[in-house]
Amino acid sequence: QVQLQESGPGLVKPSETLSLTCDVSGYSISSGYYWGWIRQPPGKGLEWIGSIYHSGGTYYNPSLKSRVTISVDTSKNQFSLKVDSVTAADTAVYYCARHWGTRYYDGSGELGHFDYWGRGTLVTVSS
Amino acid sequence: QSALTQPASVSGSPGQSITISCTGTSGDVGGYNYVSWYQQHPGKAPKLMIYEVNNRPSGVSNRFSGSKRGNTASLTISGLQAEDEADYYCSSYTSSNTLRFGGGTKLTVL
Repeated sequence: QVQLQESGPGLVKPSETLSLTCDVSGYSISSGYYWGWIRQPPGKGLEWIGSIYHSGGTYYNPSLKSRVTISVDTSKNQFSLKVDSVTAADTAVYYCARHWGTRYYDGSGELGHFDYWGRGTLVTVSS
Repeated sequence: QSALTQPASVSGSPGQSITISCTGTSGDVGGYNYVSWYQQHPGKAPKLMIYEVNNRPSGVSNRFSGSKRGNTASLTISGLQAEDEADYYCSSYTSSNTLRFGGGTKLTVL
């Protein structure tokens, strides 16, 4: 059974960098799939942050692209999220998920569904 | 990028059927079959209910079905049960190589 678990600080100060890691078990990241991050501000809807292919290659939400970096470490079977210069608007539950998608020889591809999700971790931005 | 358009709320009585719509554009919902639906109970992670417009993952009840016409996708739940009360979100791949979620719909089982 594929399982994902987010970890990282629950409190980040404004203007600092939010860093989260997602540990994957039951499936080897290097075997395939994209791996994605989604967030949900308290009482609001879901927002896709971005996704990374198992061998590299990233897609980002344009509204966050300038502040976000997603990376993958296949040796540790984990992937990570960094969000720079955070503000209170970045306060949310952050989810990691396995992301089905296509990948073509030219590096392009299409993004589909999230089939396995972590339980989510609340990150609060406050001084 | 703005969210796909979903009704804020829908309701139905046990045993009835309801449909939740998800409206986008030809650059997302209308242009691709990568439309998915998720169910989210309070305090829980979303759960995949439908993928690629009308496919159910293993273990999801056949009371849940999906369809698409033009730029609007729909999720239909038949034989409503109390446990179906939750928030539902659609998502779609876009021509900008991104993913858009809908704003979410709160389903109330009366």
